[in-house]
Amino acid sequence: GQQLNQSPQSMFIQEGEDVSMNCTSSSIFNTWLWYKQEPGEGPVLLIALYKAGELTSNGRLTAQFGITRKDSFLNISASIPSDVGIYFCAGDYSGGGADGLTFGKGTHLIIQP
Amino acid sequence: GAVVSQHPSWVICKSGTSVKIECRSLDFQATTMFWYRQFPKQSLMLMATSNEGSKATYEQGVEKDKFLINHASLTLSTLTVTSAHPEDSSFYICSAKFDYGGQFFGPGTRLTVL
Repeated sequence: GQQLNQSPQSMFIQEGEDVSMNCTSSSIFNTWLWYKQEPGEGPVLLIALYKAGELTSNGRLTAQFGITRKDSFLNISASIPSDVGIYFCAGDYSGGGADGLTFGKGTHLIIQP
Repeated sequence: GAVVSQHPSWVICKSGTSVKIECRSLDFQATTMFWYRQFPKQSLMLMATSNEGSKATYEQGVEKDKFLINHASLTLSTLTVTSAHPEDSSFYICSAKFDYGGQFFGPGTRLTVL
């Protein structure tokens, strides 16, 4: 199946730094989602975006749905050790969840104390 | 958010045997559930869409006779891996959609075929 272009593939940062990652697609999506996955567990929903241009925050996390509907970014401010994990973007064509999600390849976040 | 459970969390089986994995939505009804597969260090890949009361829709390249899906109720979908082989070893994750877009995922099932 298709995949989104997610970057960077991995990030090594110091605790307290801000983090930014993004996803791009050649196709338009009606919904963009950001998930975090820890080893041996299923993805946990962080932020869901439903409108082009929408900017949504969840605590220290902020994500935006690109105007063209072909991209999205996720920012994490003031990173802490528990932010470690793999972050996936996902796009939904239908907007109502009738189709499965298309996932990016993930961004592996590693925080150095 | 909504809670989705999976059982078992891990299973080891011999080559040639069949394995059933259950996916339940615990606090809401899900007319549509999805099954994904994730190989080590890779992303999730959609296998099939499970629709309550009707046949599942499989993604291209996924053998429907090998991966049997049953969605008999609004809270339960099952995935049966028939005649499992070592190359079927993977992390299988289900999800349930919610009305306004997006999906909640289960904790996953680690399948190891010897």
